[in-house]
Order: sequence, then C-alpha cells, then structure tokens
Amino acid sequence: AQSVTQPDIHITVSEGASLELRCNYSYGATPYLFWYVQSPGQGLQLLLKYFSGDTLVQGIKGFEAEFKRSQSSFNLRKPSVHWSDAAEYFCAVGLSGGGADGLTFGKGTHLIIQP
Amino acid sequence: DAGVIQSPRHEVTEMGQEVTLRCKPISGHNSLFWYRQTMMRGLELLIYFNNNVPIDDSGMPEDRFSAKMPNASFSTLKIQPSEPRDSAVYFCASSLGQVGNEQFFGPGTRLTVL
Repeated sequence: AQSVTQPDIHITVSEGASLELRCNYSYGATPYLFWYVQSPGQGLQLLLKYFSGDTLVQGIKGFEAEFKRSQSSFNLRKPSVHWSDAAEYFCAVGLSGGGADGLTFGKGTHLIIQP
Repeated sequence: DAGVIQSPRHEVTEMGQEVTLRCKPISGHNSLFWYRQTMMRGLELLIYFNNNVPIDDSGMPEDRFSAKMPNASFSTLKIQPSEPRDSAVYFCASSLGQVGNEQFFGPGTRLTVL
C-alpha cells in the first residue's frame, strides 16, 4: 500500500523568506503526487500536482514542487512567503491521479509565518 | 459556480445518537469521496463512489458507518450509533473521475460526539 510521510509537523518561517516543505512517499509504481493547502476552518485546495513529464511542477500562489524519483520525494517550495501562506499543507499520493481513486495523505505540516 | 456543499457544517450530538452527514458534489462530477480528519490519524479515505456505485469502502472504520449515493447529486454518511471517538471533521470531495482530474473538497462537517 502507498504511504506518505511529511517529517515536519510544524515549520516557522519569516515573512519574505524562502520555504521548503518535505514530502516522501512509498509506492511501487509511478506515483501521482499532489500538494493541498488547508486554511483554518476550510476545506482543502489543490496547489499543484505531478503525473509525469517535467519533474519541476508549477502551481498556484507561487508554489512549485520537484519530483525526485531517486529520493522518493516531492518537496514543496516557495521563494518568498507571505503572511497569507500560513496554513496546513498536505502531500498526497493517488493510484490513478486522484480523479477516480481516493488519495492517501501525509499527516500535514503546519506553516507559521513570523512577521 | 457552487463548489461541493456539505451540511451541516457543525454537529454536536450525544453518544448513541444517529448522525447523518450530507454532501452535494459539483454538478457533472461522477466520483465522490468521503474523508475523515482527526489529529491522531490525519486525513483518511473512508469510501468513494464512481457513478453512484461504491467502489472501495475499506476505509470505513466499523459497521456503525454507512454511506449511500442515491443519485449523482447527493450522498450521505451515516453513523449509528455514534461514539465520542467518531468526533472529527468529515470532508466530502468530488471529481470528474478520470486520471488527472482534481478532487474538489467541501468545507467539511465538524462532528462532536459527547
């Protein structure tokens, strides 16, 4: 069965600084990988997804993620964070790209932005 | 366009009571998913439907949980009888049901069982 590990439960970053959130997955075949963001009291919003092709994926709100097969990782990055980026971030893996199958989520990383 | 609609947004009930959570997927979507979010276990897939048919319910924790999708625009998740450990946020999501399609999440129902 597939699994997702987000090693960092909390991360604190100063506003304007760069950000990297880690995600490692375990899956036997080529994975479909996702990053979602959850603001307090809200549902989840898709930031970006990787299915195949270019290993560097661009998403919304200035986020990007890089798929590294050799490291089984799909880390999320942003060059300069804004206070509005404070939220919970979830990495997820899907068998069929999420459309027709359920997703397996990591436990999430809580991002705190310092002024 | 309306997104995924869930009701109620908050539910407080007493142990032993029946609880019904409701979900209206995005019009035209043919896959629907129920997830549960807790501090201890994170986000877990409970069950999902394709074209109103349950495909995988292996995530449903116990027989006390049941889900139905009588038509393409409505689904319910029922817990009977409810227990305090069922307290969680329950999310419904929908998608076009094809590889590569995004799952769109509703705002969730926060359930508290006293």
